[in-house]
Amino acid sequence: DGGITQSPKYLFRKEGQNVTLSCEQNLNHDAMYWYRQDPGQGLRLIYYSQIVNDFQKGDIAEGYSVSREKKESFPLTVTSAQKNPTAFYLCASSIVQGAYNEQFFGPGTRLTVL
Amino acid sequence: GQQLNQSPQSMFIQEGEDVSMNCTSSSIFNTWLWYKQEPGEGPVLLIALYKAGELTSNGRLTAQFGITRKDSFLNISASIPSDVGIYFCAGGIQGAQKLVFGQGTRLTINP
Repeated sequence: DGGITQSPKYLFRKEGQNVTLSCEQNLNHDAMYWYRQDPGQGLRLIYYSQIVNDFQKGDIAEGYSVSREKKESFPLTVTSAQKNPTAFYLCASSIVQGAYNEQFFGPGTRLTVL
Repeated sequence: GQQLNQSPQSMFIQEGEDVSMNCTSSSIFNTWLWYKQEPGEGPVLLIALYKAGELTSNGRLTAQFGITRKDSFLNISASIPSDVGIYFCAGGIQGAQKLVFGQGTRLTINP
């Protein structure tokens, strides 16, 4: 089955600790994305990558870091510099082809910082 | 940055009623997408629109790409309990991989 997996589903961390969220896709998509969602809010773009070893900041990149060493994987690190890290984090992927913009989402990781 | 205004923010309806929601922007988009999100899950793509004026259906769902390219509409006919969730619109621009999302419409259905 092709799809996007995010692990873990729930994550708890102490304040001041860095934490890495996993995102893997087997759809052979070139582009991958990380979004943050707060209660009652829409989706805000953190980082995105269109090709291996390259990525761009989204609208709220401060306090986050990413890497794209493999096409299938796009891990997100929430650093201690992120002032309010508790949120629902969503990973997505898409092909890169002209006007085709459809993004497909993983099931999400809910991060709670205590 | 670009913003999408999605309305209404929430809807409370009776089972069997039809539902209409819309998304507007001050900017032109080449793509309009509609997603549904259930609690604790990732959004699922419902309908993708790529041409101004396009009307596309997916079962009881129908979406339209506004002729001005600045708006889109989603209708759900004969709502059922499993339609409950948050519906998001998203706009895309040709050549840009990023999408702009609306704030969502929360749909609640009374049986």
